[in-house]
Parts: sequence; C-alpha cells; structure tokens
Amino acid sequence: KAGVTQTPRYLIKTRGQQVTLSCSPISGHRSVSWYQQTPGQGLQFLFEYFSETQRNKGNFPGRFSGRQFSNSRSEMNVSTLELGDSALYLCASTYLGGSGEKLFFGSGTQLSVL
Amino acid sequence: KQEVTQIPAALSVPEGENLVLNCSFTDSAIYNLQWFRQDPGKGLTSLLLIQSSQREQTSGRLNASLDKSSGRSTLYIAASQPGDSATYLCAVRAGIQGAQKLVFGQGTRLTINP
Repeated sequence: KAGVTQTPRYLIKTRGQQVTLSCSPISGHRSVSWYQQTPGQGLQFLFEYFSETQRNKGNFPGRFSGRQFSNSRSEMNVSTLELGDSALYLCASTYLGGSGEKLFFGSGTQLSVL
Repeated sequence: KQEVTQIPAALSVPEGENLVLNCSFTDSAIYNLQWFRQDPGKGLTSLLLIQSSQREQTSGRLNASLDKSSGRSTLYIAASQPGDSATYLCAVRAGIQGAQKLVFGQGTRLTINP
C-alpha cells in the first residue's frame, strides 16, 4: 500500500503570496489531519477532515484553510504569507483499527517564506 | 489546556545501553497516547499507541507505559543501536468526543554513539 503523499516537497514563496499544499492519504483512510512544525513551537495541530467535513480546528488565524475532496485527498491553503509561516507542514491519515486510531504521516512540505 | 512535556530535550548514550524517555501531560482525561519517531527533515513514524485503558504496549525492543493518574508515560528502548538515533515525540489525543486532537511534546533528540 502506498503511504501518505505530500506535494510539493519544498516550496519557496515571498511575503504576501498564497500557497496550496496537497496531501493524498493512504487508500481507504478517510480522515486527514494537518500539522505545522517549527523549531520554536514544535508540532501544532492545524485542522482535521473526515469525509469532506472539517471535524476539528486548531488555534491558527483564518489565513490557514483547508478542504477535503470526495476521494479523501486534502489541500491546505495559506493566504497572505508571513515570514513566521515558514515551517514543515505535515499531513497525516488515520487508520481506525481494533487498537485505536493510528496516524500515518507524510514526509511533509518544507515551506520557506522570504 | 492540555500540555505535554518531554524530558530530557536531548540525550546521547553509547550503543548497547538501555534507556528511558519521559513524557508528562497535564490533563489525565486523554483518549490515547502515541509515541512517534522523526528522522531529520522527515515525517513521523508511529511506534506505539496506548489506549487510555491500557498500561503498556510493546513492539520489539520498545516498550511504552502509561500512568494516567500521574500524567506520565515512558518509552523504554532496550539494547540501543545507532539506527535508533532520531527525535522521539509523544502525543496525547484529548478533547471532547468528535473534536479530539493530538497535542505533541517538543520531543527528545536521541543520539546513539557507536
């Protein structure tokens, strides 16, 4: 089974621009969650989607948004980029098994805002 | 507000030693706790998942314990190897039903010296 695929792997943008990141979950996984990782703040939860509906949202400004498509693929968008948005953005898909919810992460998109 | 703390932030040990990584959380009302491994510039790999009703989980040389009442978890690594060098993160799933999210610790950067 293919793992979680995130594209692009690296991205360089300038302040004020917008960016769209893509995540394809493992086949059959219907839940996708997004995280921001920075050296200072660590890993922080952005939002979670299940069957095209946003199920939960972290404490990020409205510039951060996302969506999920009927094939479970998800995108996140950041508008009006700021220097502080530079981070590794990770996507995870969730498998619900007998031992509970287990997350599988992609390799991430490294975003640099100049 | 749930907070997760990992101590120490970094650890360096010689190959072959047994070691313990610590994780503490402030609110015992958790759904589960998960230990992850992260290699530089990569996504996270799930190591062990412990449900709130469980006390421990084992996988190969790894053993994770959970004491909800004291808000603590430990990850025990037996007979450490250079390939175990990575950052280890713990995360608790907490929140109200249907709106749970993962809260991560800052991680312990582990170096195993040959």
